[in-house]
Amino acid sequence: NAGVTQTPKFQVLKTGQSMTLQCAQDMNHEYMSWYRQDPGMGLRLIHYSVGAGITDQGEVPNGYNVSRSTTEDFPLRLLSAAPSQTSVYFCASSRTSGRATDTQYFGPGTRLTVL
Amino acid sequence: AQKITQTQPGMFVQEKEAVTLDCTYDTSDQSYGLFWYKQPSSGEMIFLIYQGSYDEQNATEGRYSLNFQKARKSANLVISASQLGDSAMYFCATMNDNYGQNFVFGPGTRLSVLP
Repeated sequence: NAGVTQTPKFQVLKTGQSMTLQCAQDMNHEYMSWYRQDPGMGLRLIHYSVGAGITDQGEVPNGYNVSRSTTEDFPLRLLSAAPSQTSVYFCASSRTSGRATDTQYFGPGTRLTVL
Repeated sequence: AQKITQTQPGMFVQEKEAVTLDCTYDTSDQSYGLFWYKQPSSGEMIFLIYQGSYDEQNATEGRYSLNFQKARKSANLVISASQLGDSAMYFCATMNDNYGQNFVFGPGTRLSVLP
C-alpha cells in the first residue's frame, strides 16, 4: 500500500508562475485535505474535500484552487505564485468525512519556494 | 472555534527517561477527538495516538500514552523510556464532528532526547 503520495517533493517557482501539486491516495478514503506548514507554526488547512465532486475552503484558501474528480486524486493549484506561498504543503486523507474519530494520514510533503 | 495550545516550544529529556508534552484545547463541542503527531527532521507527519472525548480510559499505544483530563481540557502526551529516535517535533490536534474543516493543530513542541 502506497498510502498518500505527493509529487513533486521540491519545487522552485518564480512569482506569477502557476503550478499543480499532486496528491493521490490508494486507501479509498472519502476525506482529503491540503495543509500548509510555515516555520514555527502548526499546519493550517487550505482546502478539503468530503468526497468526489465536493470541495470546500479551509482557513487559508486564498491563492489556491482544488478539484476532486476521483476518490483517489486531490490536486492543489497555485494560480499565480507569490513569495508568501513559500511553505511546506501536506496532503492528508481519512476514511470518512472528517469525523472526530477519523485519523488523518499524511503524505510526505512538498517543499515549495517562490522567488 | 477550536484552539490548541502547546506551551512548551522546546523540551529536553535524558535517554530512557519519561517525558510529558503538554496540550490544552479549547472547544465548546461535546464530541471531539484529540490526536498527537510526530514530525521528525525528515518532515513527514506520523500519527501516534488518538483519544475520543467520550473515552473513559486514557489511550495507550506502545510507549505513548495520552493523559486525558476532560475537565481541564488537557491531553498531554507521555512518552516512556525515551529513545534518541524520539527527537522530533510533536503536534497536538483536535477534530470535532462538524464535517470537514475542523482539524486544528497546535504550534508544536520540539523534543530533544539527550544520550
